[in-house]
Amino acid sequence: ILNVEQSPQSLHVQEGDSTNFTCSFPSSNFYALHWYRWETAKSPEALFVMTLNGDEKKKGRISATLNTKEGYSYLYIKGSQPEDSATYLCAFGSWGKLQFGAGTQVVVTP
Amino acid sequence: DVKVTQSSRYLVKRTGEKVFLECVQDMDHENMFWYRQDPGLGLRLIYFSYDVKMKEKGDIPEGYSVSREKKERFSLILESASTNQTSMYLCASSPTSGISYEQYFGPGTRLTVT
Repeated sequence: ILNVEQSPQSLHVQEGDSTNFTCSFPSSNFYALHWYRWETAKSPEALFVMTLNGDEKKKGRISATLNTKEGYSYLYIKGSQPEDSATYLCAFGSWGKLQFGAGTQVVVTP
Repeated sequence: DVKVTQSSRYLVKRTGEKVFLECVQDMDHENMFWYRQDPGLGLRLIYFSYDVKMKEKGDIPEGYSVSREKKERFSLILESASTNQTSMYLCASSPTSGISYEQYFGPGTRLTVT
């Protein structure tokens, strides 16, 4: 089983501050990297799917970068809002399956 | 909007019972997946299916089986529930084969086995 690590495990952010966190994955046999947002009592929702080294994706105030050669992806939240509070999951795609990290729990306080 | 529904949000079963978890998607997706999520661990793949009557083992298939008789429905079966199968179970679907497509998740079933 491949090892996908997310750090930090949790973080608290003041409303209006920007933040970022990391997903580390094996640098071999890469096919895709997914980011999902999972809010309490809701279904996980896809944020980004990235497949090329150097990919950068953006959706509103959230963006992500991908480095497949060194095996990491960053997720950035600019100007955090309370509605950004969620667990953010990354998933490494290889050999036809996704391997998920344990997630980064983000709490944005007003 | 893609909708993935699961038969129950909460379920309590006794050790040794046979348990069925149902998942239905309404967007004609080919691929369907069953995951379980436990504290401190990522979502772990139990089984997946890329076509009707087709199934593939995921990373933790022991103690589970699946059924896919119709394209829109994917069932997870716990043949004889045990306490270590207490967990959150998530179903997902994606439009085609390959992992460069996002997966659409259901709301999850929190199963407690006593």
